Amino acid sequence: GPKVLQIPSHQIIDMGQMVTLNCDPVSNHLYFYWYKQILGQQMEFLVNFYNGKVMEKSKLFKDQFSVERPDGSYFTLKIQPTALEDSAVYFCASSFDNQAPLFGEGTRLSVL
Amino acid sequence: QQQVRQSPQSLTVWEGETAILNCSYEDSTFNYFPWYQQFPGEGPALLISIRSVSDKKEDGRFTIFFNKREKKLSLHITDSQPGDSATYFCAASTGGSALGRLHFGAGTQLIVIP
Repeated sequence: GPKVLQIPSHQIIDMGQMVTLNCDPVSNHLYFYWYKQILGQQMEFLVNFYNGKVMEKSKLFKDQFSVERPDGSYFTLKIQPTALEDSAVYFCASSFDNQAPLFGEGTRLSVL
Repeated sequence: QQQVRQSPQSLTVWEGETAILNCSYEDSTFNYFPWYQQFPGEGPALLISIRSVSDKKEDGRFTIFFNKREKKLSLHITDSQPGDSATYFCAASTGGSALGRLHFGAGTQLIVIP
């Protein structure tokens, strides 16, 4: 079946550096999401993106975060600069109209 | 404030038994409730979902029972199999264009003993 692909699966970075998490959503999907899961805790919504724009972002989506999807390319989450509390697994998801989102396998981000 | 709560945190059943996973929510505007199954090291996978206009949704061994008045729902897994051992997340959204803006519970870790 269709899959959401996330690259890389694990990223280790020093605090203060920039990181970009990449997501290859399902080709005909229109809505794109990022969720954050800290180990042992529930998944938390960060942001959703539709028609080239951020539709909604949560309070976890700090000013250091940004998302974009240049035409036909990855849907990306950029964190600049990173902080220790950004260490988590970040899940990308995508959906077609009025359907539950399909999640990728996540990128584990470790900020040292 | 947690919008979606799940219980128990962990559940162990024998193979063949029915596992019952509970979920409750706060926001009465929630009208779409998917359940996701997650295995270690993988992303959550949609298992079954229900909309608030229904009180029951069945798909094979998985059934959701929904009580709108009490703002509660439960996932029943009949004839549990060892392969069902995973973490199950209840989620909720207001539907429409915000359908994918999900509020997740903390999950129930299910262990099925052969």
